[in-house]
Amino acid sequence: QKEVEQDPGPLSVPEGAIVSLNCTYSNSAFQYFMWYRQYSRKGPELLMYTYSSGNKEDGRFTAQVDKSSKYISLFIRDSQPSDSATYLCAMGDPGNNRKLIWGLGTSLAVNP
Amino acid sequence: SAVISQKPSRDICQRGTSLTIQCQVDSQVTMMFWYRQQPGQSLTLIATANQGSEATYESGFVIDKFPISRPNLTFSTLTVSNMSPEDSSIYLCSVTWTVLSTDTQYFGPGTRLTVL
Repeated sequence: QKEVEQDPGPLSVPEGAIVSLNCTYSNSAFQYFMWYRQYSRKGPELLMYTYSSGNKEDGRFTAQVDKSSKYISLFIRDSQPSDSATYLCAMGDPGNNRKLIWGLGTSLAVNP
Repeated sequence: SAVISQKPSRDICQRGTSLTIQCQVDSQVTMMFWYRQQPGQSLTLIATANQGSEATYESGFVIDKFPISRPNLTFSTLTVSNMSPEDSSIYLCSVTWTVLSTDTQYFGPGTRLTVL
């Protein structure tokens, strides 16, 4: 079993839809959780990070962490064609020398 | 956050040759990371490069194949040696940046390598 599981998709939605992206993990030592967005032919860019359970909101994006279920989510409201990208989850254990463990990434297409 | 640049952005190389990828950061950072991103696979950490010490390699990666230099706090290089088609990948450097006591990583744009 991989430490982090993420459905690679692809996921295709109409413009304006609410998008839900998810990752599950097995290592209870993970304490911080991140979502990155990667456009084609670009490096990953940090979208959201959280250090605890609960929700964190930033504009149209909401990150949710449920440590009891070992499950994290990223919600995108009012999705736009410019949101079309690959979304990667990453998580880390403070005791592991800042090494991040990555999901496969989910490919998202938002259709006008 | 840090601004990171990489050179070259892409290259096509012949089997058996070597390529050195450069990573430049606009701020001084302690830790730099080199990743490989292959189609259909997670980002895979190759090694961690701290200034003034030998790079620390992850399981499956060795210094002879991926020598790394870290001459100062803003620069690092990764060499892919004796290349084979299996080395075709995107290579990314990243740096750790502490935001509100949380370590996050910022990435360069990547180097797309094709080995024929």
